[in-house]
Amino acid sequence: DTAVSQTPKYLVTQMGNDKSIKCEQNLGHDTMYWYKQDSKKFLKIMFSYNNKELIINETVPNRFSPKSPDKAHLNLHINSLELGDSAVYFCASSHGTESWGYTFGSGTRLTVV
Amino acid sequence: GQNIDQPTEMTATEGAIVQINCTYQTSGFNGLFWYQQHAGEAPTFLSYNVLDGLEEKGRFSSFLSRSKGYSYLLLKELQMKDSASYLCAAPLGGYNKLIFGAGTRLAVHP
Repeated sequence: DTAVSQTPKYLVTQMGNDKSIKCEQNLGHDTMYWYKQDSKKFLKIMFSYNNKELIINETVPNRFSPKSPDKAHLNLHINSLELGDSAVYFCASSHGTESWGYTFGSGTRLTVV
Repeated sequence: GQNIDQPTEMTATEGAIVQINCTYQTSGFNGLFWYQQHAGEAPTFLSYNVLDGLEEKGRFSSFLSRSKGYSYLLLKELQMKDSASYLCAAPLGGYNKLIFGAGTRLAVHP
């Protein structure tokens, strides 16, 4: 029983393409996140949704657009992919907005060529 | 602002003890987390400290000093499987936004 699942696990695509990463959690959490981990292994928050409402929107190019159809799902759509978008993208979830500790998904390794 | 610093790499011998330090500067304090991340895998929760002192959990312990903006993760009886990155993280604000340090890559050798 996977708690936070992301698809796909690996994604190789050409510059300029549009791609989506999907995330689902079955923990009953109401807050979900997208983090980006670059080649230097720095984990940086991108977005967070609480009960389908966007609550954190970091300085991220507007080519990145999150969508939360319900509180168990948070997808990430990326338009006009660039080489610098290559990274591992982690989805995470937590209970509430002021309780601590995340459960992470296994990550999506995006390679833009 | 928010800043979290930890050493980039450490090495240790199987069976030994290693201490991974973390210093942080945060506007407001809401506790400090440690996560473990094996290569190619997701970070997994290790510990959370909100009060000063040492929290022990099996072979792993975590210490916090709020006045010094300092924490450490202590790993005892090191095993090869402990080779991983250890991430220090602090929540920012009221929206459970975790800010991570760059991580300390620990290599355990025989």
